Amino acid sequence: DIQMTQSPSSLSASVGDRVTITCRASQGISNYLAWYQQKPGKVPKLLIYAASTLQSGVPSRFSGSGSGTDFTLTISSLQPEDVATYYCQKYNSALTFGGGTKVEIK
Amino acid sequence: EVQLVESGGGLVQPGRSLRLSCAASGFTFDDYAMHWVRQAPGKGLEWVSGISWNSGSIGYADSVKGRFTISRDNAKNSLYLQMNSLRAEDTALYYCAKSPGGSSGWYFDYWGQGTLVTVSS
Repeated sequence: DIQMTQSPSSLSASVGDRVTITCRASQGISNYLAWYQQKPGKVPKLLIYAASTLQSGVPSRFSGSGSGTDFTLTISSLQPEDVATYYCQKYNSALTFGGGTKVEIK
Repeated sequence: EVQLVESGGGLVQPGRSLRLSCAASGFTFDDYAMHWVRQAPGKGLEWVSGISWNSGSIGYADSVKGRFTISRDNAKNSLYLQMNSLRAEDTALYYCAKSPGGSSGWYFDYWGQGTLVTVSS
């Protein structure tokens, strides 16, 4: 089975900082990758699919990149409302989530 | 507006069964694959099972294979998860989630609020 590894597991950054989260697949998955945001006590929300396509209504400060085994989610200017745990998910065959990255404000 | 409303969760003893339901509205239910995703308390997301638009393709996580059965009733706009031989490690919030396509190998564009399943004696 293909494993999805996210890093870091948590991070603390200041408002306005550029934040990057990495997701690595143990084998190539082309661009079959999605990113979700889960705010504390809330339901997961789709941010990005096909590695880099922004879901409708998601702020443009969020972006995704990568293909094959290495992917990144970038928040260009961190806002207080971005405090959440972020998950990657592959969907080229078995549906597997990464372990999550908790983002906090410094 | 897409709405997914789960029900059927509760406290159940190990080894017993439970059936979850998800009532869907706001979209053409029989055009899309549907899934169950769970989240144990304080833990990450785990895909449990998925079913294609016509029930022709069904998949399960290894952790539930042989114990859980997913089904859907397109006439009732409903998704189900029959959970048998429940274990303590099945304790989680169970989300119903919609895929943007009809086949089961997709991401999830809408999620319900979840129903809590607690397996304990």
